[in-house]
Amino acid sequence: AQSVAQPEDQVNVAEGNPLTVKCTYSVSGNPYLFWYVQYPNRGLQFLLKYITGDNLVKGSYGFEAEFNKSQTSFHLKKPSALVSDSALYFCAVREGSNYQLIWGAGTKLIIKP
Amino acid sequence: DAGVIQSPRHEVTEMGQEVTLRCKPISGHNSLFWYRQTMMRGLELLIYFNNNVPIDDSGMPEDRFSAKMPNASFSTLKIQPSEPRDSAVYFCASSLLGGGTDTQYFGPGTRLTVL
Repeated sequence: AQSVAQPEDQVNVAEGNPLTVKCTYSVSGNPYLFWYVQYPNRGLQFLLKYITGDNLVKGSYGFEAEFNKSQTSFHLKKPSALVSDSALYFCAVREGSNYQLIWGAGTKLIIKP
Repeated sequence: DAGVIQSPRHEVTEMGQEVTLRCKPISGHNSLFWYRQTMMRGLELLIYFNNNVPIDDSGMPEDRFSAKMPNASFSTLKIQPSEPRDSAVYFCASSLLGGGTDTQYFGPGTRLTVL
């Protein structure tokens, strides 16, 4: 069965430091992987996705994610965190022709000045 | 493009009343998804449509919930009768499936409170 795990409920980072939000997945075929961000009282916004090709994917707001097939991971990263990056981050996966996304529980990212 | 449009943004109703949530997907998208978000259960897929046809409604909680998509530019999610446990934020998302870019784009959500 397909699944997504975001092992950290919350991540705290000081402004200016690099940040990582972790995501691991389980699918039986080739994964399509997504990251979304949700600001308070807003809908989810698409950040980036991996379908195929280069393992390092660059997205909006300076975020990037690295697809690691051997570790079945798709961690979200940013070299220098901003206070405005504080939000809830969701990882999602789907497999091939199955159009449903399987969502992680979300990770609350707090960037402290 | 205006993005996915949902109405109302907030709805407060009393238990037993009928509630209708509305969604206008992004023009040209062929798939529409209804989600529910709560603190306890996170983000749950309720139902999704492809080319206006319901494909999977296994996430619909019970018969009190129904969804329709009469045309490519409009969908409704109805709860009748509503119960306090239905209180949640309901999101609609649309995407272009099969076109190589299958990213789901979300609306701002409807915050439903059932008293």
